[in-house]
Amino acid sequence: EIVLTQSPATLSLSPGERATISCRASQTVNTYLAWYQQRPGQAPRLLIYNASNRATGTPARFSGSGSGTDFTLTISSLEPEDFAVYYCQQRGTWPPWTFGQGTKVEI
Amino acid sequence: QVQLQESGPGLVKPSETLSLTCTVSGASINNYYWNWIRQSPGKGLEWIGYISYAGTTKYEPSLSSRVTISSDTSKNQFSLHLFSVTAADTAVYYCVREHLSLWAFDIWGQGTLVTVSS
Repeated sequence: EIVLTQSPATLSLSPGERATISCRASQTVNTYLAWYQQRPGQAPRLLIYNASNRATGTPARFSGSGSGTDFTLTISSLEPEDFAVYYCQQRGTWPPWTFGQGTKVEI
Repeated sequence: QVQLQESGPGLVKPSETLSLTCTVSGASINNYYWNWIRQSPGKGLEWIGYISYAGTTKYEPSLSSRVTISSDTSKNQFSLHLFSVTAADTAVYYCVREHLSLWAFDIWGQGTLVTVSS
C-alpha cells in the first residue's frame, strides 16, 4: 500500500497570504496524484488532477506540481472561502487508492 | 448535471450488515468507475472499493473479507454491503464517481452518516 504523508498538519495564515502544502508518497505514483478541498459539513471537491491540472471550476490561484514521490499544492493568495482541509490522493497502478491525512488551512 | 445520492439506514446494530445504495443521475453507470469512500468522525478519508463499468470490483484489502459492491444498471444504481460491522465502521459514507480520463474522484455524493450502535 502506498502511504501519502502531508505536511504541515495545520497551516495558520491570513487572507491574501500564500499557502503551500506538501504531499510525499512512499513509492512513486508518477503523476497520478489529485488534490481535494473539504469545507466543514461538505463532501470533498476535486481541485487538481494528474498532479498539475486544474479541475473544472477550480480558480487559477490553485496550482499543483510534482511527480514521482513529491508533490505540492499552492494557493497563491488565500481567499476567505479557501480556509478548509486539503487532501492529496494517489491513483497508482494497483488498489488500494489512498489519501493523505489532510492539512487544515486556518485563519 | 451529474448527481449522486446515497440512501440507506442511518443506524446499524453491531454484527449486522450495513447496506447503502447510490442513485446516479445525469450519467450512465455503464461508463466510469463507481466508488465508495468513508470518513470516520473527525478523521480522514478511506477508500472502500469500486465497481467498474464492466462490473469488475476492487476493494481495500483490510475490508475485502467483509465488503461487496454491486450495481443495477436498470436502475442506474450501485450498492455497498459491509458485513459484521462494529463501532469502528461508524462513518460518513460517500458514493463517488471516478473519471478515468482524470484518474481522480470528480463527482461526490453529499454523504450519509451511518452509526453502528446497539
